[in-house]
Amino acid sequence: GQQLNQSPQSMFIQEGEDVSMNCTSSSIFNTWLWYKQDPGEGPVLLIALYKAGELTSNGRLTAQFGITRKDSFLNISASIPSDVGIYFCAGDGTSYGKLTFGQGTILTVHP
Amino acid sequence: DAGVIQSPRHEVTEMGQEVTLRCKPISGHNSLFWYRQTMMRGLELLIYFNNNVPIDDSGMPEDRFSAKMPNASFSTLKIQPSEPRDSAVYFCASTQSISPSTQHFGDGTRLSIL
Repeated sequence: GQQLNQSPQSMFIQEGEDVSMNCTSSSIFNTWLWYKQDPGEGPVLLIALYKAGELTSNGRLTAQFGITRKDSFLNISASIPSDVGIYFCAGDGTSYGKLTFGQGTILTVHP
Repeated sequence: DAGVIQSPRHEVTEMGQEVTLRCKPISGHNSLFWYRQTMMRGLELLIYFNNNVPIDDSGMPEDRFSAKMPNASFSTLKIQPSEPRDSAVYFCASTQSISPSTQHFGDGTRLSIL
């Protein structure tokens, strides 16, 4: 089946630093998404990307849909303590939302 | 606006017991997904409904698992009989089928089978 490789697995950064994480796939996806999950809660959608090459921002977050349609990255600029959590990439290779999730990146921000 | 509502939030039960997880999707959403999250396997799609009809149940692990959606505002995921390896967090998500990827998740049910 489809697999997503997300890296890094974890990051420990200082407040104010920029963060970058990425996902690669062995298969092509039509849609790439980035979610954030806080402890005890469900994943929350951050950014959705629909076209190869698309670059989309949401506040301090920027994500790109790779040209090959097999990868995506997420950048967080000027990190703050509330950015702490687990970030997941997800790809949809179907027409009905059958998402494949990456393993997650655990982000810790030190004040 | 109310998000996806799941109940119970936590369930602890003994092996062999029947477990029923419940989900109320966001009003107006016609697609509903059940996921399971574990440390070992991450987030996995179990089953997908569109307009209350099961479309893809290829992720349902075995016959002990069943899911229903009797109407647009309610779905259940049942495990009978439950086993310790079923322990996980189960999430329900909903969306409108015109934008199927942008799913809204509930806060999950943390299930522990002793």
